[in-house]
Amino acid sequence: DTGVSQDPRHKITKRGQNVTFRCDPISEHNRLYWYRQTLGQGPEFLTYFQNEAQLEKSRLLSDRFSAERPKGSFSTLEIQRTEQGDSAMYLCASSLLAEAKSRTDTQYFGPGTRLTVL
Amino acid sequence: AQSVTQLGSHVSVSEGALVLLRCNYSSSVPPYLFWYVQYPNQGLQLLLKYTTGATLVKGINGFEAEFKKSETSFHLTKPSAHMSDAAEYFCAVSDRSGTSYGKLTFGQGTILTVHP
Repeated sequence: DTGVSQDPRHKITKRGQNVTFRCDPISEHNRLYWYRQTLGQGPEFLTYFQNEAQLEKSRLLSDRFSAERPKGSFSTLEIQRTEQGDSAMYLCASSLLAEAKSRTDTQYFGPGTRLTVL
Repeated sequence: AQSVTQLGSHVSVSEGALVLLRCNYSSSVPPYLFWYVQYPNQGLQLLLKYTTGATLVKGINGFEAEFKKSETSFHLTKPSAHMSDAAEYFCAVSDRSGTSYGKLTFGQGTILTVHP
């Protein structure tokens, strides 16, 4: 059983550098979500895709952040010119949204990428 | 806008004692509600969810939660705590409107400590 995978698991970078994270969702899941979790807080929504279309971006996602999901499979999240405030756990989740909206999609989370900006 | 409040950032119980983690929500539409558990340096694992139907929901590892509309609550319980239950628990509500459909809003989490 292959769950959601994320790479890398840990990333340490210097302020001002660019970083890119990858998320591989559960096969055939059409939705992919990115969340950010800082110490002592619950995850906060960043953005999500349905297939390859990015449908919503949070106000938390500044211009330095960009996410893609080419071909509706894996996704990447890039942070340009990192700042110390970007230090957090970045979580990816995937789900299969049923056509009948009377049922919600259940999100399955990956292990996360912990980013430390020095 | 939806919101979730988890009462008590830390809960401590003895092994074998009742576990009660509190969650209250705010939603303009009938909510879909979730409990997730997170172990140190890991992602979130789904414990249980409420969408429609029976208000008492059973999940994995002996946990259950009851949806009470009148109290806007979705408290998580387990009759007898085990050492392996020590973790952080998050309550979440799912958005059901427009393009935000499916987006989760989480509470701040409750750290459960289990003493021998």
